[in-house]
Amino acid sequence: QVQLVQSGAEVKKPGASVKVSCKASGYSLTSNGISWVRQAPGQGLEWMGWISAYSGSTNFAQNLQGRVAMTTDTSTNTAYMELTSLRSDDTAVYYCAREGQQHYYFDYWGQGTLVTVSS
Amino acid sequence: EIVMTQSPATLSVSPGERATLSCRASQSVSSKLAWYQQKPGQAPRLLIYGASTRATGVPARFSGSGSGTEFTLTISSLQSEDSAVYYCKQYNSWRTFGQGTKLEIK
Repeated sequence: QVQLVQSGAEVKKPGASVKVSCKASGYSLTSNGISWVRQAPGQGLEWMGWISAYSGSTNFAQNLQGRVAMTTDTSTNTAYMELTSLRSDDTAVYYCAREGQQHYYFDYWGQGTLVTVSS
Repeated sequence: EIVMTQSPATLSVSPGERATLSCRASQSVSSKLAWYQQKPGQAPRLLIYGASTRATGVPARFSGSGSGTEFTLTISSLQSEDSAVYYCKQYNSWRTFGQGTKLEIK
């Protein structure tokens, strides 16, 4: 069955970078896009960006451009999201989610990775 | 960027009654609209896509309607386990979530 398993919680200082992994099983990463979504404590869902493991194409939310990178490793079926120049308001749970092939709904989600930015 | 606005922010409904949640897009998204349910401490769950198609395993009491800029999620005959936050998301122009509607069961 399809599963997305993310890396563990991280604590980072302001200005540092964080890289979160999302290992897919039960399907090939190249078959579907992957989006990353974050959720600050007590807040709503924020779409961060998208990557196609098939083409390597990416698209990022405007407010994160220049600070976010998304990559994939097809040999391990793993997607990565790196966020740089961390600020306190980047503290959030970060999710990866698989996209549908014709409708871009998010049908499978990772369990979430808490990233805490604190001095 | 397309802005998605959900209303109301909070909705309190008795078990067995109907709940109607609204989502409005700042410009047309055609029928490229999905609804998600999120319970505390859990990842969101896909309920509806294509504005009105229920995802696999979603109970028939959940239904979606609308197109263009106005959308509705209806939950008929509410059950206690439907208490959650519900988000709409457009995928016509990249992806944007609404701010969510918290559904409370009285």
